[in-house]
Amino acid sequence: DTEVTQTPKHLVMGMTNKKSLKCEQHMGHRAMYWYKQKAKKPPELMFVYSYEKLSINESVPSRFSPECPNSSLLNLHLHALQPEDSALYLCASSQDRGSGVSKGEQYFGPGTRLTVT
Amino acid sequence: EDKVVQSPLSLVVHEGDTVTLNCSYEVTNFRSLLWYKQEKKAPTFLFMLTSSGIEKKSGRLSSILDKKELSSILNITATQTGDSAIYLCAVEAVVKTSGSRLTFGEGTQLTVNP
Repeated sequence: DTEVTQTPKHLVMGMTNKKSLKCEQHMGHRAMYWYKQKAKKPPELMFVYSYEKLSINESVPSRFSPECPNSSLLNLHLHALQPEDSALYLCASSQDRGSGVSKGEQYFGPGTRLTVT
Repeated sequence: EDKVVQSPLSLVVHEGDTVTLNCSYEVTNFRSLLWYKQEKKAPTFLFMLTSSGIEKKSGRLSSILDKKELSSILNITATQTGDSAIYLCAVEAVVKTSGSRLTFGEGTQLTVNP
C-alpha cells in the first residue's frame, strides 16, 4: 500500500479564518513533507519532518504552522492567509533510513486545493 | 542553490512515437534522482536512480542516470494517449544530518495525439 491520504480535498477560507490541512500515511514512513504547488509550476518544498521532528523549514511565513502529532500524521495549520497563498498543498512521505543516505522515494497524497478569498 | 533543468518544456507527438525527456542538475550532497508523472493531481512515482549507468525499466518507460554528466533521461517507447502528462524530474539532496530535500525541475508537458 503506497497511499497517502489528505483532507479536505478542497478548502475555501477567508483571510481571517483558521483552518487545518491533514495528511495520513500507514506505510511506516518516518519522513513526511509539505509542498505548495501553484498552477503550471512544480511543487515547492515547505517543511520536512524526520522522525516526528521538524528538520527543514524553507523560510515559510509563520501563518503556516506544521505539526506532526505522531509518525503517521502530519497537519498544516493555517491562519491569516493571503490570496496569493491559494494553491494545491501536497503532502508526501518516504522511508528514512538514517543520516547520510537517500531517504527513499517520496509518495504524494492527492493534495488539498486551497482558495483564500 | 540547487538547480534542476528539464528539456524540452513541451512536446507533442503521435501515438506510437518514442520520446526522450532530459533532466540536468546541479546540487550539493546529491543522493538520488527521481522521475514523477503528474496528470491532474498529485505526482505519481516512476523511478528512483542512485547509481550511474544502470537502466531502470517499467513497461514502456525506462530511465538512466549519468552522474558524470549530472543528467538523466526518461524514455517512453510506443507512446499512448494515456502517457499525456507532465513529467517531473526531482533531485534529492540530503540536508544536515536528518533532512532530505527534493528540488523539482519545471517539468516536460507531453501531449500524445491519436
